[in-house]
Amino acid sequence: DVKVTQSSRYLVKRTGEKVFLECVQDMDHENMFWYRQDPGLGLRLIYFSYDVKMKEKGDIPEGYSVSREKKERFSLILESASTNQTSMYLCASTTTRDQPQHFGDGTRLSIL
Amino acid sequence: RKEVEQDPGPFNVPEGATVAFNCTYSNSASQSFFWYRQDCRKEPKLLMSVYSSGNEDGRFTAQLNRASQYISLLIRDSKLSDSATYLCVVNNSSGDKLTFGTGTRLAVRP
Repeated sequence: DVKVTQSSRYLVKRTGEKVFLECVQDMDHENMFWYRQDPGLGLRLIYFSYDVKMKEKGDIPEGYSVSREKKERFSLILESASTNQTSMYLCASTTTRDQPQHFGDGTRLSIL
Repeated sequence: RKEVEQDPGPFNVPEGATVAFNCTYSNSASQSFFWYRQDCRKEPKLLMSVYSSGNEDGRFTAQLNRASQYISLLIRDSKLSDSATYLCVVNNSSGDKLTFGTGTRLAVRP
């Protein structure tokens, strides 16, 4: 069974802080994704990665960056956290990009 | 027009009822279609893929209508445990990422 692990279930940070969200998958998947989910807006893609050191912007990349130094790990970085980045963040991975994605448990991030 | 559109519901049905959800998509070149289930404050989980010929998994049946660009999910003999939000998922025109609908909420009552 695919296991996608996110580093924190709940996180509280302050405005202006640099925030790191970590995601690790154990199935040697090439593709990894970061989403945020907000009520009424559904899942929105922030960034995705096809391979180590590769990254592509999703639909809402502003205010975020990512890092993929190892195949199994994909990190999301909030460069300077703002209150409008309070959300549920979900990491996912998959073998090929048109196949179902497997999600981590999610991180509920609150920016005060 | 949104890439993927769903009726947000909620659909309130009694146990044992049959309920159907539709989802329309805008990109006629889409090739992959899925239904995910998401429980409150949990991550989405794959319920089933949707194949051109239609497919069934126990009480769940998924259908694809390419001409009208919609997919459907039918749940028979609803259980209390089916209460959740059902997300329609379609891949984009270049096939490199999935687009999620905002979900249809189902509430099954005793």
